[in-house]
Amino acid sequence: NAGVTQTPKFRVLKTGQSMTLLCAQDMNHEYMYWYRQDPGMGLRLIHYSVGEGTTAKGEVPDGYNVSRLKKQNFLLGLESAAPSQTSVYFCASTRRGDSTDTQYFGPGTRLTVL
Amino acid sequence: RKEVEQDPGPFNVPEGATVAFNCTYSNSASQSFFWYRQDCRKEPKLLMSVYSSGNEDGRFTAQLNRASQYISLLIRDSKLSDSATYLCVVVSGSARQLTFGSGTQLTVLP
Repeated sequence: NAGVTQTPKFRVLKTGQSMTLLCAQDMNHEYMYWYRQDPGMGLRLIHYSVGEGTTAKGEVPDGYNVSRLKKQNFLLGLESAAPSQTSVYFCASTRRGDSTDTQYFGPGTRLTVL
Repeated sequence: RKEVEQDPGPFNVPEGATVAFNCTYSNSASQSFFWYRQDCRKEPKLLMSVYSSGNEDGRFTAQLNRASQYISLLIRDSKLSDSATYLCVVVSGSARQLTFGSGTQLTVLP
């Protein structure tokens, strides 16, 4: 049981390049989330999904797209990376109906856009 | 105004000290409340839930005041291993979205 995994762990991009971050969970969770964390700040919600084939915008969705084609995977895409997207990206998941609202986090992806 | 606001910190305290963190939230419809701990360059980890009745976990005590929309965390007998950033977290919405405060950095000094 690996929990929540994220690929890659580190990446350096040039402005304008595209990339996809992969989040995978093996806990059969319905809900998945993408957050970003900038220095000195808490995590901010980018997009989330309440089930396979559904996605919704969070607090800071601009410049990102997501897809949830399979229940266990949640992909975050940057179509044209900008330096402002330099950040640490965390993925999380939780079970629908979990009364404790416990979210399980992946280890993070550190992205630098030059 | 931020949805979740925390003490700016940083807090530097000697071992054995008692330290308190405060947090306020603006969404009165918020449903659940937590304190998370985050070590440098790591993912946040759940420290404890927060209830109106207050709850204690060893040296940690958390309290929620719904009327004042205020959350607190008390750490007694601080250990070096308590050094971390403490994040106040509020849950709202049908998808149980988490809203994080910006965090308060604690350093416990020998």
